[in-house]
Amino acid sequence: IAGITQAPTSQILAAGRRMTLRCTQDMRHNAMYWYRQDLGLGLRLIHYSNTAGTTGKGEVPDGYSVSRANTDDFPLTLASAVPSQTSVYFCASSDAREGNTGELFFGEGSRLTVL
Amino acid sequence: GQNIDQPTEMTATEGAIVQINCTYQTSGFNGLFWYQQHAGEAPTFLSYNVLDGLEEKGRFSSFLSRSKGYSYLLLKELQMKDSASYLCALVDSNYQLIWGAGTKLIIKP
Repeated sequence: IAGITQAPTSQILAAGRRMTLRCTQDMRHNAMYWYRQDLGLGLRLIHYSNTAGTTGKGEVPDGYSVSRANTDDFPLTLASAVPSQTSVYFCASSDAREGNTGELFFGEGSRLTVL
Repeated sequence: GQNIDQPTEMTATEGAIVQINCTYQTSGFNGLFWYQQHAGEAPTFLSYNVLDGLEEKGRFSSFLSRSKGYSYLLLKELQMKDSASYLCALVDSNYQLIWGAGTKLIIKP
């Protein structure tokens, strides 16, 4: 089934540990995004990539890094996790064109708890 | 700056009609999305408006007034499965999405 896959679905992590959230899409979308979703707040963009080989910072990039080595994969890394990074993380992709973001397709989310 | 507001929670009755409003302030506008998100699940696309007016899609319709900075999502013939959060997101001048906090819709029998 075509779509976007995230792993792990859920993770409990000790503060200070390194963690990579994986995201893979098979729709050949050029643009990919990482969001975090916290209760009472809208989705907040962490990092994005408009095309393979390029990345950009979103609204809340501190403490996170991404890479986009190919079209399909867009991993998000927390170098040294802190409790404020406890959240639900959504990866998304879109077929963004000039002047049009395109509809975003979301993965099922990764629930991360940092203790 | 940019700001987007929608009610935190609404309650409606099965079979009825409900309108979920979204107001925004932005220096640049390139469209507005509505997404549905069931508890514990990913958001899914409902509608996209870039021009003023009403877009109808089955039981769901979305309206946009750019001059008023206002959009609404209209849900007709409500079903229990419509219980979800409804997210409004505007596309800014850099083609980035700015998301509202979402409106939790509770449907009662």
